[in-house]
Amino acid sequence: AQTVTQSQPEMSVQEAETVTLSCTYDTSESDYYLFWYKQPPSRQMILVIRQEAYKQQNATENRFSVNFQKAAKSFSLKISDSQLGDAAMYFCAYRNPNTGNQFYFGTGTSLTVIP
Amino acid sequence: GAGVSQSPRYKVAKRGQDVALRCDPISGHVSLFWYQQALGQGPEFLTYFQNEAQLDKSGLPSDRFFAERPEGSVSTLKIQRTQQEDSAVYLCASSLVFSYSADTQYFGPGTRLTVL
Repeated sequence: AQTVTQSQPEMSVQEAETVTLSCTYDTSESDYYLFWYKQPPSRQMILVIRQEAYKQQNATENRFSVNFQKAAKSFSLKISDSQLGDAAMYFCAYRNPNTGNQFYFGTGTSLTVIP
Repeated sequence: GAGVSQSPRYKVAKRGQDVALRCDPISGHVSLFWYQQALGQGPEFLTYFQNEAQLDKSGLPSDRFFAERPEGSVSTLKIQRTQQEDSAVYLCASSLVFSYSADTQYFGPGTRLTVL
């Protein structure tokens, strides 16, 4: 079974600083996809960034980047130059096209941005 | 439409009542997913449609849960004889295609169901 673990229930960061959210996952597959989703208090989940497991290069989207360590099954999210609007719940998710259609989500990390 | 919409946004039901939750996906999106998100937890998969076909319902917790998408667009999640443990936020998501496995899922705002 696939599991996704986010070991940091809460994190905080000063505005304009950098923060890293951790995520580990368990799978025996070699081909899969990883995602970070953001869920603001309004509850609408928004895709932040995604990574294909076959790609060695870490994905980057503006201030958001990942550190994908396939052997260690680790997929951390780095937010640079943190902004007040980054405050939200962040969920790491895993998807394997060969074992079903579902996304497996972690339990989330609540990020607070301190002005 | 501009995004995935869900209605109602909030629903309070007495234990034993039936409820119906609606999802309007983005126009033209082939795939539609339902998730259940308990308080303080991540979303958990319930069921998946490709057009009108329900291809995976392995996440439905009991036979009290039923989902349909008869015309391949709007979907309804029905919960019969609601129980307190059904209290959660129910999220709907849609994506353009299925074959591209990294295809982005677009989520609706959710329906918060409270069973008293």
